[in-house]
Amino acid sequence: SQTIHQWPATLVQPVGSPLSLECTVEGTSNPNLYWYRQAAGRGLQLLFYSVGIGQISSEVPQNLSASRPQDRQFILSSKKLLLSDSGFYLCAWSLTGDIQYFGAGTRLSVL
Amino acid sequence: AQTVTQSQPEMSVQEAETVTLSCTYDTSESNYYLFWYKQPPSRQMILVIRQEAYKQQNATENRFSVNFQKAAKSFSLKISDSQLGDTAMYFCAFMKLRSYNTDKLIFGTGTRLQVFP
Repeated sequence: SQTIHQWPATLVQPVGSPLSLECTVEGTSNPNLYWYRQAAGRGLQLLFYSVGIGQISSEVPQNLSASRPQDRQFILSSKKLLLSDSGFYLCAWSLTGDIQYFGAGTRLSVL
Repeated sequence: AQTVTQSQPEMSVQEAETVTLSCTYDTSESNYYLFWYKQPPSRQMILVIRQEAYKQQNATENRFSVNFQKAAKSFSLKISDSQLGDTAMYFCAFMKLRSYNTDKLIFGTGTRLQVFP
């Protein structure tokens, strides 16, 4: 069966520091991968998605970037965090393009 | 652009009772998917139910069922025999049906459901 892992679960970072959040999927090949952000008390907003290695599409211009160095690995990064980057970050995968399965998320606090 | 609206920020229900969560959406597309996701206190998003817009029959998954009204652009979730474990944030989501293999989910702002013993 397929599983998705995200780490770390919780992260507290100072403003201006770099960021790297990792997501990996096991038990499948060539999944579509997604990064979402959930602000406090709000729904999820798609940040990036990828249909293959090295292929990244950005939905929202921002201080973040994404990379997919391997088939089942998706990384969310920032060179310099802003206060507004605080939130809950969720990675998701899909094969068929409809049902997306989510990881447990990373709670990021930028202080 | 597509939008999803959940007009009930919070709801509560007693254990074993039935509750209905509302969702409306706006789109000019004719083919799409609708979803309900559940986010318990653990924060992991869990798929509850999916509906294809081209299917007239309402989707059902055990105690969860939907009332899909395409013309009215309404997609409500009914939870029967509510259980304490149903306590969670519930999100309605929309996805266009595309010919290629990916699309984004557009989420509503969620309804917080509390099930009381």
